[in-house]
Amino acid sequence: NAGVMQNPRHLVRRRGQEARLRCSPMKGHSHVYWYRQLPEEGLKFMVYLQKENIIDESGMPKERFSAEFPKEGPSILRIQQVVRGDSAAYFCASSPQRGHEQYFGPGTRLTVT
Amino acid sequence: DQQVKQNSPSLSVQEGRISILNCDYTNSMFDYFLWYKKYPAEGPTFLISISSIKDKNEDGRFTVFLNKSAKHLSLHIVPSQPGDSAVYFCAASARETSGSRLTFGEGTQLTVNP
Repeated sequence: NAGVMQNPRHLVRRRGQEARLRCSPMKGHSHVYWYRQLPEEGLKFMVYLQKENIIDESGMPKERFSAEFPKEGPSILRIQQVVRGDSAAYFCASSPQRGHEQYFGPGTRLTVT
Repeated sequence: DQQVKQNSPSLSVQEGRISILNCDYTNSMFDYFLWYKKYPAEGPTFLISISSIKDKNEDGRFTVFLNKSAKHLSLHIVPSQPGDSAVYFCAASARETSGSRLTFGEGTQLTVNP
């Protein structure tokens, strides 16, 4: 049973470009979460999605960030017009039900130059 | 406001001895607590969890203790092994009120010396 898959593992973008991060949950999991880890900090919640629905986006920056989890295909975290402060590790997690333990992917390390 | 705190950024123990990692929280709505282990350049790995209706949960070498009155939990690893060397994160959620969102501590770097 494959774990949570994230790609790309490393992404380099210049300031002003767009970054697209993909996450495929574990088989049988319909709940997806995105977290961000800035250098020297813990993980911070960004958004919680189920298929075709955003359940909780209270941790998402108000501008430039969006997330989706379509009926078919992976969940996408999209960052428009990236800035240096967006450089971080972005982790996706999935769970089989709401309120259960979450299983994390390997992360995407975004570097903005 | 740091709702989950791990006050020790690092801990060093000898192989075979007990490792005790501590975590404090401030939000009384938290009702589910988890510990994750993280190696560099990898995602966190789930270790063990505990619901607020319990005060202890054990899984092999790992035991989590919860003291609700003190808003404190700890992870015990016995016996410690060099492969346990990693960053350990405590996390909490308030499942009844804010659903599945996890709030993480800052992490404790555990080093187990052979």
